[in-house]
Parts: sequence; structure tokens; C-alpha cells
Amino acid sequence: AQSVAQPEDQVNVAEGNPLTVKCTYSVSGNPYLFWYVQYPNRGLQFLLKYITGDNLVKGSYGFEAEFNKSQTSFHLKKPSALVSDSALYFCAVRDSRDKLVFGAGTILRVKS
Amino acid sequence: DVKVTQSSRYLVKRTGEKVFLECVQDMDHENMFWYRQDPGLGLRLIYFSYDVKMKEKGDIPEGYSVSREKKERFSLILESASTNQTSMYLCASTGTGFDTQYFGPGTRLTVL
Repeated sequence: AQSVAQPEDQVNVAEGNPLTVKCTYSVSGNPYLFWYVQYPNRGLQFLLKYITGDNLVKGSYGFEAEFNKSQTSFHLKKPSALVSDSALYFCAVRDSRDKLVFGAGTILRVKS
Repeated sequence: DVKVTQSSRYLVKRTGEKVFLECVQDMDHENMFWYRQDPGLGLRLIYFSYDVKMKEKGDIPEGYSVSREKKERFSLILESASTNQTSMYLCASTGTGFDTQYFGPGTRLTVL
């Protein structure tokens, strides 16, 4: 069965510093991976996805993610964090029937 | 622009009441999903539907049912609400293949 793990409940960074939110996955077959962001009392917003091709995927709001097959990871990154990036981030993997399996989520706090 | 709407943002119901949560998408998507979101547990799939009048159980269907009479509308029903169904409910839709799942704003349901 497909699964994802987000090993950190919370990540704290200073504004202007680079940020990384970690995700590892377990799949049978090719992985199709997604990152979503959720602001307080809102639904999930799509950030980016990896289907195939380049291991570095660029997404919305300056975010990117690096797919690493040997480490089964799909970490979310941003070169310079903003206070407005503070939110809850979810990693997800698509299973064989178009369903998404989500990680538990990571709270990102960016302090000024 | 992509649009998934949910009938209520906040809902308060009493134990034993029948509760209807409605979701409408305007993207002509075949697939629709209902999740519940609880702190530390991420998103868990309740039910999903690949077509009108079709429904399949997700990971936590107990205590819930669904209805999909029209392609654009997917309803979640709590036959007899219980306090352990207090949660955030999120609806999503997607087309076929590797399309992105788009989410509604969520309904925060409190059962007293």
C-alpha cells in the first residue's frame, strides 16, 4: 500500500532563511507525489506535483521540491522563507485509483 | 478558475441529528472525494465516487454515507451524528489521469 511520512510535526525558520519540509514515501511502482498547503480555516491549495521527468519540480509561491528515488524522498524547499509561508503543509502520494494518501502534515512557522 | 464549493463553512449539530454536507464542483470532473481532517492524523478518505450514482468506501466509511445524483454534486450524510464526528470535512474533485485534486474550503462540523 502507498504511504507517506512527514517526520517533523513542526519546522521553525527565520524569515529570509531557506526552508525544507521533509517527506518520504513508500509505493509499489512509480510514485506520483504532491504537496499541498493549508492556511488557517481554509481548504488545501495545490503547490506542486511530481509525475515524471526532472527531479526538481517548481511550483507556486516560489516553492520547489526535489524528488530523490534512491532515498524515497520528496522534500519541499524554498530558498528564502516569508512570514506569510507559515501554514500547514501536506505531502501526498497518488495510489492506483486516483486517490491521494496524505501524510500527517507539518506546521511551518516563519518568524520575522 | 477552478471552483469547489461546500455548503457550509461552520456547522453545529446535536447528537443523533441527520447531517448533510454538500459539495459542488464546476470543472466537469469525474472523480469526487470526501475527507475528514483531524490534528495529527492528516486527511483520511471517507468515500469517493468515480461517476454519477457510483460510490466506493474509503478508509473510514463507518457512520457515513454519500450520494451522487449529478456529476457536479457529491453529498456526505451523517445518518445519526455523534460527538466523535466533530471534525473538519473537506471535499475534493479531480479529472482522470494525473490531474490535480482540487479542494473546497472545508466545513468545520461540531456535534454537541
